[in-house]
Amino acid sequence: ETGVTQSPTHLIKTRGQQVTLRCSSQSGHNTVSWYQQALGQGPQFIFQYYREEENGRGNFPPRFSGLQFPNYSSELNVNALELDDSALYLCASSSGGASSEAFFGQGTRLTVV
Amino acid sequence: AQSVSQHNHHVILSEAASLELGCNYSYGGTVNLFWYVQYPGQHRQLLLKYFSGDPLVKGIKGFEAEFIKSKFSFNLRKPSVQWSDTAEYFCAVKDYGQNFVFGPGTRLSVLP
Repeated sequence: ETGVTQSPTHLIKTRGQQVTLRCSSQSGHNTVSWYQQALGQGPQFIFQYYREEENGRGNFPPRFSGLQFPNYSSELNVNALELDDSALYLCASSSGGASSEAFFGQGTRLTVV
Repeated sequence: AQSVSQHNHHVILSEAASLELGCNYSYGGTVNLFWYVQYPGQHRQLLLKYFSGDPLVKGIKGFEAEFIKSKFSFNLRKPSVQWSDTAEYFCAVKDYGQNFVFGPGTRLSVLP
C-alpha cells in the first residue's frame, strides 16, 4: 500500500448532480495531483495542489474544482455532472521536486447515469 | 503540450519470453521519465525512473528501461517474464510544471 487513501471507492450519481471526492495524502507529502482515467485510456491530469494552492491545471472545465487542506489532504469537486465524467479518478501525492515519484491511491470509480 | 504514447494496448506472452514495451514522448527538453505498474487489485506503483545519469535504468523485479534521447523513447524491458508480471504498465513523463503526463497504458498478460 502507498499511504494514499481515497473515498469513496465507488459512486453513482445522476447527470446534473455535484460530487466531492476525497484524498488523504501520504505523510510528509505537500503536493497532490488529481487524474481522470476513462476506460481504455491513460490517466489525464486534472490539476495539482501544492501547499493549499492550485499549482497547475490540465484541460478540464471550471466545473472541476479542488481544495487542499492544511494537512495536505485534498478534495476534487465536480459540478453539473455529465455522462462523460464517468471514469476512475485517481489522487497522487508526492513530495514535490522534478524527480520525485507519485504515490497513487486506489481511485474512486464514478458512474454518472 | 506534452504527450506520451505506448506502442501496444495489450501484449500476451508466455512465461520466460522476453518483454519490451515501447514508450515515446513528445517533449524536447529535459525530462524525467517513469514507468508505473498496476497489479490486479493493487495501487499503481513505481517500477523505475530516470532523471539523469546512466540512460539504462534498473528497477524492481528485474525490469529495466533505456532512455534514448534522440528517439524520445523510454522502452521497458525484462529478459524473462513470469506469470506474476501480469499487470498494466504506464509510462509517464514529468514536465516542466512537475505534472505527470501518462501514456494510455499497456496491459500485459503472461500465460503460465
